[in-house]
Amino acid sequence: AQSVTQLGSHVSVSEGALVLLRCNYSSSVPPYLFWYVQYPNQGLQLLLKYTSAATLVKGINGFEAEFKKSETSFHLTKPSAHMSDAAEYFCAVSSSGGYNKLIFGAGTRLAVHP
Amino acid sequence: EAGVTQFPSHSVIEKGQTVTLRCDPISGHDNLYWYRRVMGKEIKFLLHFVKESKQDESGMPNNRFLAERTGGTYSTLKVQPAELEDSGVYFCASSQDLDSPLHFGNGTRLTVT
Repeated sequence: AQSVTQLGSHVSVSEGALVLLRCNYSSSVPPYLFWYVQYPNQGLQLLLKYTSAATLVKGINGFEAEFKKSETSFHLTKPSAHMSDAAEYFCAVSSSGGYNKLIFGAGTRLAVHP
Repeated sequence: EAGVTQFPSHSVIEKGQTVTLRCDPISGHDNLYWYRRVMGKEIKFLLHFVKESKQDESGMPNNRFLAERTGGTYSTLKVQPAELEDSGVYFCASSQDLDSPLHFGNGTRLTVT
């Protein structure tokens, strides 16, 4: 069965610092992996996705994630945090039931301080 | 194009009452999904429509929940009778094809007191 673990429910960084949000997955089949972001009072927005092409995936707003099969990880990074990056971030994996039948991690709330 | 629209944005009801949530997907999107997040836990899949047919309702918690998508356009999710543990945020999402990206609505925050 598939599952997703996000390490750290809250992460705080300074503006301009590296953002690293951790995600580990468990999947019995080659996974499709996603990162979504939820800004306050908004719905989830797709940041990026891994679908077995390049292992380094670039997304919107300067975010990227690297798929590491040996570590079963799909960590999200951004070289320099901006105040507007403050939001909740969700890692997800497609379940065996379908591409968009997603299993989400518990979410990581990112705070960016001046 | 208009995004996925959910109504109401907030609902507060008493235990035992009935609530109906509505979702209008993006026009032309045959696939409609319901997810919910209970009390800050993981977002969990509830069900998936393809047009008006329920493709997968394996995530529906119990028979107090009824989802419909008459005519294959908007969808409703009815909770009857509501229980305290039903409180949470209910998200609707749609996609054009089975493997195209999901577009989420802003969610309906349901509070059962």
